[in-house]
Amino acid sequence: DQQVKQNSPSLSVQEGRISILNCDYTNSMFDYFLWYKKYPAEGPTFLISISSIKDKNEDGRFTVFLNKSAKHLSLHIVPSQPGDSAVYFCAARANFGNEKLTFGTGTRLTIIP
Amino acid sequence: EAQVTQNPRYLITVTGKKLTVTCSQNMNHEYMSWYRQDPGLGLRQIYYSMNVEVTDKGDVPEGYKVSRKEKRNFPLILESPSPNQTSLYFCASSFMSSNTYGYTFGSGTRLTVV
Repeated sequence: DQQVKQNSPSLSVQEGRISILNCDYTNSMFDYFLWYKKYPAEGPTFLISISSIKDKNEDGRFTVFLNKSAKHLSLHIVPSQPGDSAVYFCAARANFGNEKLTFGTGTRLTIIP
Repeated sequence: EAQVTQNPRYLITVTGKKLTVTCSQNMNHEYMSWYRQDPGLGLRQIYYSMNVEVTDKGDVPEGYKVSRKEKRNFPLILESPSPNQTSLYFCASSFMSSNTYGYTFGSGTRLTVV
């Protein structure tokens, strides 16, 4: 039962354009959402997060949008740069207090120079 | 430098030969967890620990054991590895109620069981 879904396994975007990565979830108990970025041979690193009480959070070139009614969040990267090429994981945490993160399957983003 | 250290980075072993993957963090985090990453399945939680001597099963605990005798260490034990445990393993840690940053991950251990 995949509670966090990333339906696009891969995405290619031209350098300088906007990259949009999508994530859907099914568990209404999730109250905090995060995006992680992963390069080959490295562990995932935190990118940006959003609480369920917000609908948008911005950090430089990265913006995360949350649509609670649709149980959907998206990560926007603008402008996209070659160094953004990586696998991006969406993750969600339920308000049970056990800190568990449930991850999606990942989207491989390739930025074309 | 704040980090989570896993060892070894790469390991090839044979079916049934007990092995331990070590994980250590230097950030005084209460929470530690093990995940495995498999193609098409993302990261799935194996075990987690909310503090010393407090451990619990995640989503895919079968075939694994853990212990948390000290706050900084959280080893993953495979008593009798099988080929379906061939995977990329990540250890992670965080403060409890760490709303902002979630986990800090180690660099991963690629395990092959033949």
